[in-house]
Amino acid sequence: GAGVSQSPRYKVAKRGQDVALRCDPISGHVSLFWYQQALGQGPEFLTYFQNEAQLDKSGLPSDRFFAERPEGSVSTLKIQRTQQEDSAVYLCASSPQPGHGKIFGPGTRLTVT
Amino acid sequence: AQSVSQHNHHVILSEAASLELGCNYSYGGTVNLFWYVQYPGQHLQLLLKYFSGDPLVKGIKGFEAEFIKSKFSFNLRKPSVQWSDTAEYFCAVNERGFKTIFGAGTRLFVKA
Repeated sequence: GAGVSQSPRYKVAKRGQDVALRCDPISGHVSLFWYQQALGQGPEFLTYFQNEAQLDKSGLPSDRFFAERPEGSVSTLKIQRTQQEDSAVYLCASSPQPGHGKIFGPGTRLTVT
Repeated sequence: AQSVSQHNHHVILSEAASLELGCNYSYGGTVNLFWYVQYPGQHLQLLLKYFSGDPLVKGIKGFEAEFIKSKFSFNLRKPSVQWSDTAEYFCAVNERGFKTIFGAGTRLFVKA
């Protein structure tokens, strides 16, 4: 597609539920990133894929967070047993090469009640 | 750890005023520098970037930024703002790799 798409755009989960957030990067983009943006903050790095390889997951806040990109295109960020502090906008971005400017998707706003 | 500081969290200007948003970073090595913008209701988009060469870079919509290595700064400027520049602006840095660190953002409101 023309840009990075994310779904769902909004998600309300009850505390303890599992959620899955999807990202469709720009076709052919090697690099894919997930960021978490809390209200009033800049995006915080979560994890990075180069093709299907997850090269860095140092930003994932706990082992409840898991990301995958099995075929090197679509990626899913899964959060298990959601907590209120997980409420944020989750941004996906892709770029043709690491280090280059990123194209961001619209984000998924997750609210945990 | 690498960090990015944006000095102003909120800026209010009248149309035609000049704009300068400060950005400083902590990393001492070779870096790529970026400014991203988020207009109301839209997603983050790249405004301009610096990789190497001329430290004064020009981006879209009349924005420019100057990389001053000795000051670890990459300030964003525009000589005359418009109401449509109302947005949130993020400075970002990466260490010539993949991990980009963002500042907390500056919300700019331009009064018509």
